[in-house]
Formats: sequence, C-alpha cells, structure tokens
Amino acid sequence: DTAVSQTPKYLVTQMGNDKSIKCEQNLGHDTMYWYKQDSKKFLKIMFSYNNKELIINETVPNRFSPKSPDKAHLNLHINSLELGDSAVYFCASSQDGGTYNEQFFGPGTRLTVL
Amino acid sequence: SQKIEQNSEALNIQEGKTATLTCNYTNYSPAYLQWYRQDPGRGPVFLLLIRENEKEKRKERLKVTFDTTLKQSLFHITASQPADSATYLCALVMNTGFQKLVFGTGTRLLVSP
Repeated sequence: DTAVSQTPKYLVTQMGNDKSIKCEQNLGHDTMYWYKQDSKKFLKIMFSYNNKELIINETVPNRFSPKSPDKAHLNLHINSLELGDSAVYFCASSQDGGTYNEQFFGPGTRLTVL
Repeated sequence: SQKIEQNSEALNIQEGKTATLTCNYTNYSPAYLQWYRQDPGRGPVFLLLIRENEKEKRKERLKVTFDTTLKQSLFHITASQPADSATYLCALVMNTGFQKLVFGTGTRLLVSP
C-alpha cells in the first residue's frame, strides 16, 4: 500500500535518448510535483499539477514534459537526454495546493546518462 | 540573491544530547517553513510545519523555532538516538497562491552511540 510510487527506480541510458518516469499516488491527493535532486543533494521543484492542471513550471528545459492523465498520476518525459540530466528525480503529492500542506515523496528514480 | 543555508558540514553528536540544526534564509518572505528528514536512497519525509506567526512548534522530541526578524529557523532533536541519523532539510513555503517549496541544502546529522 505504497502512498507515492515511482517507476523505474533506476534508469541508465545514453545521451540523446528519450525516457519516461512514471508516478502514481493512492492518497487521493489533488496536487502532484516533480523535483530534481542533484549530486550535491540539492532538491529543486520542477513542476506542479493540481487536478491535472499545470500550476508551477520552473525554468526547466522544454526537453522535460510532464503529463498528468488523471489526478493520481504524473509522468515525466525527457527528450534528448544530456549528461547534466543525471540526478535523482522525486515525485511528491499533497492534499491540495494549499500552503499549509505537507508533501509526501516517492522513493525517487536515479537517472544516469552516459 | 536568494539563499537558504543550512549547516554545510555534517553534525556529529553523542546519543542522548540535543542536536540543533539551523536554517538561515535571505531575500525570501515565506508564509510557512517545513522540516523534512531524508534517509539515504529514500525520499524526504515530512516532520514539522511552522507558520510565520508562530514562534515555536513541538512534536515529541522535536522542536522548531521560526524567527522572521532574524530570518532563521532552528530545529532541535532532544535525547537524540542513533536512529535520528539522517539528512534534515528545511523548506520555505512561498505564499504564491499554490504551494511551492524551496529547499535548503540540508544538514547531515550523525548520532553516535
């Protein structure tokens, strides 16, 4: 009964490839997020969706495209992968987008671009 | 420029002592501040939230203070245990209509038996 799950856990790929990471939450939350944690462990917001609608879009290259088919799922597709995309990507959810809500994080997907 | 700084070096303390972690920020006006714990290979886990008009919040052995004048939050773990060893992240919550967390650099805490 995992609250926020991500697949795959590890992803190793070549530069220039296109890959996707999937995220699902079974908490009934309205809001979902994607974060990137770099090699120095710095965690930075990339995107946020509320009820399938994009509400936060940080300065992320447009090679990154999130898609939310329903409010329980938020996938991340990355085109033309670059070495600098290597990082751990975390999905998270919160009850709604209210400022007082805690966020629940998934286990992370470690992406390595060779 | 905007910055959120936590103790850059790892904090080593002995079991039973109180651990105090700092979170300092500049050029932000957060509505709330949250603290998360992150274990190696795992996602962050929420611990505590404190509002800008609250001075202090407690939960079991955890205590958080928030001083908007000093632009600082302190996170205390009393009677620390080896199981408390982890990285602790502070996150500013911006009042932008929808929640946006801006994380600090994290502090690694090591509690020795």
